[in-house]
Amino acid sequence: GQQVMQIPQYQHVQEGEDFTTYCNSSTTLSNIQWYKQRPGGHPVFLIQLVKSGEVKKQKRLTFQFGEAKKNSSLHITATQTTDVGTYFCAGVGTYKYIFGTGTRLKVLA
Amino acid sequence: KAGVTQTPRYLIKTRGQQVTLSCSPISGHRSVSWYQQTPGQGLQFLFEYFSETQRNKGNFPGRFSGRQFSNSRSEMNVSTLELGDSALYLCASSRTTRDGNYGYTFGSGTRLTVV
Repeated sequence: GQQVMQIPQYQHVQEGEDFTTYCNSSTTLSNIQWYKQRPGGHPVFLIQLVKSGEVKKQKRLTFQFGEAKKNSSLHITATQTTDVGTYFCAGVGTYKYIFGTGTRLKVLA
Repeated sequence: KAGVTQTPRYLIKTRGQQVTLSCSPISGHRSVSWYQQTPGQGLQFLFEYFSETQRNKGNFPGRFSGRQFSNSRSEMNVSTLELGDSALYLCASSRTTRDGNYGYTFGSGTRLTVV
């Protein structure tokens, strides 16, 4: 069945450093979504990418959708302690979204 | 507007019992999905309901069931609880598109502990 993998599984960075998480699907995706889950919280929708090669920015966050629509990335510039949490990508399957394994980000002040 | 409301927030049950969890979606959202979240398995899809019909089901045993009411509120039921059912159960509502949705809004979840 369809699988969505994310790397790395964990990432510790010093505050101010950049961070990138990668999402890879075994099948072509019609769209991809990104979510952030703070410790003890629930996933919160960040963004959706639909077009091949699409790039979207939200302040310090940059999201990319691969040309083949099988991979995506989230890049955070100059991390802050508020960026702590687990970042999930989710790719659509038949009427359901398959969530990636998540990347847990720790930011050291 | 009100978010997705899940009740109860916490639940402790004994192995073999059954449990019913409730979810009230955002007003106007007709799609409700349920996910199980555990540290080892991440977010696993349980099922999705749209206009009272189950559109898709994940790879969970028949002990897991759900339903949706005409007002879009949804319930999920787990019978004959096992220790491995201990998890955070998340409900998410969304407005659907032809190829998916506009993004899930998740509830705060129900933390189920089976002892």
